[in-house]
Parts: sequence; C-alpha cells; structure tokens
Amino acid sequence: GDSVTQMEGPVTLSEEAFLTINCTYTATGYPSLFWYVQYPGEGLQLLLKATKADDKGSNKGFEATYRKETTSFHLEKGSVQVSDSAVYFCALSDLGGKLIFGQGTELSVKP
Amino acid sequence: DTEVTQTPKHLVMGMTNKKSLKCEQHMGHRAMYWYKQKAKKPPELMFVYSYEKLSINESVPSRFSPECPNSSLLNLHLHALQPEDSALYLCASSQEGGRETQYFGPGTRLLVL
Repeated sequence: GDSVTQMEGPVTLSEEAFLTINCTYTATGYPSLFWYVQYPGEGLQLLLKATKADDKGSNKGFEATYRKETTSFHLEKGSVQVSDSAVYFCALSDLGGKLIFGQGTELSVKP
Repeated sequence: DTEVTQTPKHLVMGMTNKKSLKCEQHMGHRAMYWYKQKAKKPPELMFVYSYEKLSINESVPSRFSPECPNSSLLNLHLHALQPEDSALYLCASSQEGGRETQYFGPGTRLLVL
C-alpha cells in the first residue's frame, strides 16, 4: 500500500540555520503531497502542498518540490526561526481521500 | 476562511461516562473526518463522512459512535471509554473527499480516568 517515510527527529538547529527534512513516498497512483505543521498543544496546519510532478509548494519561507523520479517531497527553509519549532508531518492523499502520514519530525530551533 | 472549530478543547471523563465531541465547518466542504492522535505520533484516521454518509470506518471500537447531522456538523459520541483512549481527537474537512487538502481543527484533548 501507499506509504510515507520521513527522516527521524528530533532535529535541533540554531536560529538562521538551513533546514532540510527529507520525505519519500511510495504510491501506486498520482497522489497529492502535503506538509503539515503542528505547534505544541495545537492541531495540524497545512504548511504547503503540491498536486503534480514538478510542482513547488511554498509558504512562510518553506518550500518543497514534488519529484516523481525520486518519489520525494523534501521540506526546506533557508533560515529557521525559534518560532518554527514544531512537529512537521509529510503526507500524501490518494484518490480515496485518505491521508497517509509520515512519522513526523520534531524540530527544535535554539536562539 | 479555512476554519474548522472543535468543542470542547479539553475533556476529562470516567470510564462509565457518556460525552460527545463536536466539530463544525462553514466552508461548504462535503467530506469530514475524525482522527485520533497519540503524543509524538501521526494522526490515525477513524471515520470519514462523505455527503453526510459514513464512507470509511477504520475498524474503530463501537464505544466511538460518529454522527453527521448535516453537512457542516460532525459529532463523535463517546461511551464506556478506556484509559488507552486518552488522546487528541482531531476533526478535518475537505471539499469532496478526494485528493484535495484536508483542513484540521485544533482538536479536543481527551483524558479518560
């Protein structure tokens, strides 16, 4: 079945460092891909999405590109802030509407 | 507006209690979802309603009973829960239930004593 694999955390960075969180997927069809962020004590917020190959999703300085050839959707940000500390989930959505999540990556940004 | 609201924010209940969680959206979405999330884990899908009909039940125990009274409202009725049911319960909605974006509410944090 479909699956999503994320790099394990926790990831600890200093403020203004470059962030990459790796995400790869396995899917039989042509899924939509998402990054969700969960701040402590809150629900999930959509961070960005891409619906087809080579699409780039971007929001709040974060970017991810839908790479069909490598089945990847890595999340990047050029300069992280303390306020970016959260858990990040990569997910895919199949035709049936089910969201398949990765295990989540906890990011901690130190001042 | 992409807001999904959930009440209550927190809930403590005993194993013999009956309580309900409520979820509401006014985006005109026709698909609504219940998820259960344990600490440090991804959300696990419980139920999906599409056009007010239950379309997916992920083998959830019968002590959880979903209800969709109309296209904007989704309830989760709880009865005779176990301590291991303590978790964050998230509601989400999407346009029609296909590959489109799901928008999540803030969740109800449930503690079963």
